[in-house]
Amino acid sequence: DAKTTQPTSMDCAEGRAANLPCNHSTISGNEYVYWYRQIHSQGPQYIIHGLKNNETNEMASLIITEDRKSSTLILPHATLRDTAVYYCIVRFAGNNRKLIWGLGTSLAVNP
Amino acid sequence: GAVVSQHPSWVICKSGTSVKIECRSLDFQATTMFWYRQFPKQSLMLMATSNEGSKATYEQGVEKDKFLINHASLTLSTLTVTSAHPEDSSFYICSARADRGGQPQHFGDGTRLSIL
Repeated sequence: DAKTTQPTSMDCAEGRAANLPCNHSTISGNEYVYWYRQIHSQGPQYIIHGLKNNETNEMASLIITEDRKSSTLILPHATLRDTAVYYCIVRFAGNNRKLIWGLGTSLAVNP
Repeated sequence: GAVVSQHPSWVICKSGTSVKIECRSLDFQATTMFWYRQFPKQSLMLMATSNEGSKATYEQGVEKDKFLINHASLTLSTLTVTSAHPEDSSFYICSARADRGGQPQHFGDGTRLSIL
């Protein structure tokens, strides 16, 4: 599975959009991009995933570049409760395909 | 959305005892379940992958006889830490995934295990 690169930490003002980048330059055509977040002392929470097209749900938007080598997770109006570590993971589809977890981006939303 | 329930949320026990952790998918059938361990300030480390009705596949370095995994139904998997010792103290997290294709894993809230 492709390796991802994320900034170690980011800050965002409450109410503003948080844009979290992820590089996955070695991604292959069959690999999905997944985003999870983990709030301290809790299990990871699924946010969104996509293959080629941009995706949006009630939590966030996922923008994937045309060459698929990078993506951006957008939290449109960040709140203090969005403070968490955000993980970008790429993975092949398939029942037993495991998620390879990096260190993610620690997002701090400030009042 | 998909809900995964993990129980207990925390447990403290004496060295040498065995501890069982349950992971249930509440509103979907989980073809595959995963067990992770996480130490403070570190990322998640996959311990094993289990499919309903078959033996779990353990990651390199994870002792099968130490960490017993049972996935008896499409909604329940259990992890038993046998003869636990202080070095087994950690945050254990399960996840479940429905069907095939690109469906995401959904995670429980984790179990904080402290061995005295």
